[in-house]
Amino acid sequence: GENVEQHPSTLSVQEGDSAVIKCTYSDSASNYFPWYKQELGKGPQLIIDIRSNVGEKKDQRIAVTLNKTAKHFSLHITETQPEDSAVYFCAANNAGGTSYGKLTFGQGTILTVHP
Amino acid sequence: DTAVSQTPKYLVTQMGNDKSIKCEQNLGHDTMYWYKQDSKKFLKIMFSYNNKELIINETVPNRFSPKSPDKAHLNLHINSLELGDSAVYFCASSQVGDTIYFGEGSWLTVV
Repeated sequence: GENVEQHPSTLSVQEGDSAVIKCTYSDSASNYFPWYKQELGKGPQLIIDIRSNVGEKKDQRIAVTLNKTAKHFSLHITETQPEDSAVYFCAANNAGGTSYGKLTFGQGTILTVHP
Repeated sequence: DTAVSQTPKYLVTQMGNDKSIKCEQNLGHDTMYWYKQDSKKFLKIMFSYNNKELIINETVPNRFSPKSPDKAHLNLHINSLELGDSAVYFCASSQVGDTIYFGEGSWLTVV
């Protein structure tokens, strides 16, 4: 089955700095890679996703890059703000397969943005 | 309007009891899921239903039984609760091949 590794487990940055979180996956059949943000006491919220037919996607301060050959993808947050502080999860899935919805999550990254 | 809502949000119960967590989605999605988040925050799928039919059933003890009365509801019933069942349980929904939306979670503590 799929295995997703996420690094770092904790990340501390100053407000205005950039933050980068990296994930690797093992199953070459995976073709959908979402990123979720989880705030304390809440459920995971999708912040951005990328499919295997593109290499990069950007939404305001957030961007995701995908390297299918190396089987890794990264989340980039620029101009970080204190409200970006949360746990971030990467995930991988074969969106066209019979196991659609079986997201395999990384271990999570606790991001702290200091004012 | 809450898209994926689950109740109760907090549940404290004794070992050996039977409990249920209810989930409803108003997004018109045809697929619903239960995920479990352990004390180390690791998220893992338990079940998925598509149009009331069980699609994914991970290696979950048979004390856990999902029930989907219709496309908008997926409830989780747990028999003979054990200490190790303490976790946060998330309901989620999606259209096939599309974004998966999670509920706010149900914090289960077994004492």
